[in-house]
Amino acid sequence: KAGVTQTPRYLIKTRGQQVTLSCSPISGHRSVSWYQQTPGQGLQFLFEYFSETQRNKGNFPGRFSGRQFSNSRSEMNVSTLELGDSALYLCASSQSGSSTDTQYFGPGTRLTVL
Amino acid sequence: AQSVTQLGSHVSVSEGALVLLRCNYSSSVPPYLFWYVQYPNQGLQLLLKYTTGATLVKGINGFEAEFKKSETSFHLTKPSAHMSDAAEYFCAVSVGYNQGGKLIFGQGTELSVKP
Repeated sequence: KAGVTQTPRYLIKTRGQQVTLSCSPISGHRSVSWYQQTPGQGLQFLFEYFSETQRNKGNFPGRFSGRQFSNSRSEMNVSTLELGDSALYLCASSQSGSSTDTQYFGPGTRLTVL
Repeated sequence: AQSVTQLGSHVSVSEGALVLLRCNYSSSVPPYLFWYVQYPNQGLQLLLKYTTGATLVKGINGFEAEFKKSETSFHLTKPSAHMSDAAEYFCAVSVGYNQGGKLIFGQGTELSVKP
């Protein structure tokens, strides 16, 4: 099976712009989670989607949003970018998103905000 | 609330030496615990996980971890380090039932292996 794929791998934006990141989960996986990784804050949970519904959300401002499509592919959007949004954004998929499920991570999208 | 603490942001060992990476958790419910490894410019790869049952868990690449409830610990070990083990390691706890795929991670431990 193909792993989790994320596009694009690298992105450079300027402050105030918006950005959309894409994630394709492993075939058959219905849960997609997003994480932000920064040197200062480490790995932080953004949100999780299952069957096109957001089930859980981390402590991030409303500028961060996401959605999931019927084929389980997911996108996250960040509006009005700030310098502090520069990070590696990781997507993870699992079969059901239960607490015992293994989450499989993609390679990430490296976002740089100038 | 659940939390994870990894003791030591950097650990250096010699090739062939024992690897010990420490992880302590805080959880009000029985925890599900994970260790992930991250190589430069890559995502996270699962090494092993503990959900229920045997408290000594064996993972990939010769790693294992033991869940000790009394010590609230889930330390990762490998008897003999290899140069290819150099990477960053993350301990994580899965929060609660029906909490929708949320992992809480420790701050990570960077492992260096000296020849």
